[in-house]
Amino acid sequence: EAGVTQSPRYAVLQEGQAVSFWCDPISGHDTLYWYQQPRDQGPQLLVYFRDEAVIDNSQLPSDRFSAVRPKGTNSTLKIQSAKQGDTATYLCASSFWGSSAETLYFGSGTRLTVL
Amino acid sequence: EQQVQQSPASLVLQEAENAELQCSFSIFTNQVQWFYQRPGGRLVSLLYNPSGTKQSGRLTSTTVIKERRSSLHISSSQITDSGTYLCAKYSAGNKLTFGIGTRVLVRP
Repeated sequence: EAGVTQSPRYAVLQEGQAVSFWCDPISGHDTLYWYQQPRDQGPQLLVYFRDEAVIDNSQLPSDRFSAVRPKGTNSTLKIQSAKQGDTATYLCASSFWGSSAETLYFGSGTRLTVL
Repeated sequence: EQQVQQSPASLVLQEAENAELQCSFSIFTNQVQWFYQRPGGRLVSLLYNPSGTKQSGRLTSTTVIKERRSSLHISSSQITDSGTYLCAKYSAGNKLTFGIGTRVLVRP
């Protein structure tokens, strides 16, 4: 079974540039999460979806970050005008809604460096 | 306030030594999960342990809900156990709140 796939693996930007991250969840998983993991810290939830609907985006810096999942499968996380403080690894995870917590799977992440 | 606190921050072991990692929660939780992450690697679930003791190979987790803590015991450590161990609690919607992690280095 294919896992959660993310791309690109790495991104390096200058401040003010835009970047998009892409996530392909495990087939059939209806719930998708985006986490931000700064260096030497634990991941922090940014946003999550059930199918195409946003369930919680309260931790998403809405002025520069946006996330969509238009068909309830793949998802894109975009940063409009990156800042140095956005340097982190961005992790995508997927699961079945309402399932056991053991069914959550993570992708390898996209490591972003903003210069 | 950090809802999930882990200790120690880092740990160096000689191969074959045992280790105990601690996790505590500022608010009640009945869903605790331990993860492992190699540098630059993906998060891998180790043990889901809502309460009591659960074992998987050389790993044993003990969660005491009323004391809001969980521990992870690594027995007979191996060099390949090196990495970061993260504790997390679940809330509604399978949302995870993570600790900062314990970085483990196992030396030959």
